Amino acid sequence: DQQVKQNSPSLSVQEGRISILNCDYTNSMFDYFLWYKKYPAEGPTFLISISSIKDKNEDGRFTVFLNKSAKHLSLHIVPSQPGDSAVYFCAATVYNQGGKLIFGQGTELSVKP
Amino acid sequence: AAGVIQSPRHLIKEKRETATLKCYPIPRHDTVYWYQQGPGQDPQFLISFYEKMQSDKGSIPDRFSAQQFSDYHSELNMSSLELGDSALYFCASANQGLYNEQFFGPGTRLTVL
Repeated sequence: DQQVKQNSPSLSVQEGRISILNCDYTNSMFDYFLWYKKYPAEGPTFLISISSIKDKNEDGRFTVFLNKSAKHLSLHIVPSQPGDSAVYFCAATVYNQGGKLIFGQGTELSVKP
Repeated sequence: AAGVIQSPRHLIKEKRETATLKCYPIPRHDTVYWYQQGPGQDPQFLISFYEKMQSDKGSIPDRFSAQQFSDYHSELNMSSLELGDSALYFCASANQGLYNEQFFGPGTRLTVL
């Protein structure tokens, strides 16, 4: 039962353009959503999070949008850079359960020069 | 800034041996989470500790145990190792009140032969 789903295993974008990574979820009790970037054989790097009571959070080139009615969130990276090439994981925490993360399957982003 | 430290980074064991993985959280973080990532899979939550007490338990085999010590570092003990235990093991730390910002260590790659 995959509660957090990233349906696109890969995404290829041109340098300077916008990258949009999508994530869907099923559990209405999620209170925070987090995005991580991961290189092979390294730990996930925290990028940005959003509370379930918000619909947008922005940090530099990264913006996360949350649509609660559709149970959908997206991470926008503008402008995309070759160094952004990595696997991006969407994760969520359940309200009042201590913060364990439930991850999606990941999307591999490739930014081409 | 100080990050999460994990040791060892790589570990090779034979079947039925034991292994101990260590995690040193970011200073002043009171919560530690352990995750397992198998090849081509998303990270799966194993167990967490808050203020040296187990706070949550996920899909952790009975052969595994863990604890958090007075200095907040944590150790994951794995016994009777099986081939299927080969994976990346990540530790993450957070302040319990800010679990929407979890920071991961570089991971320990365990290979069971």
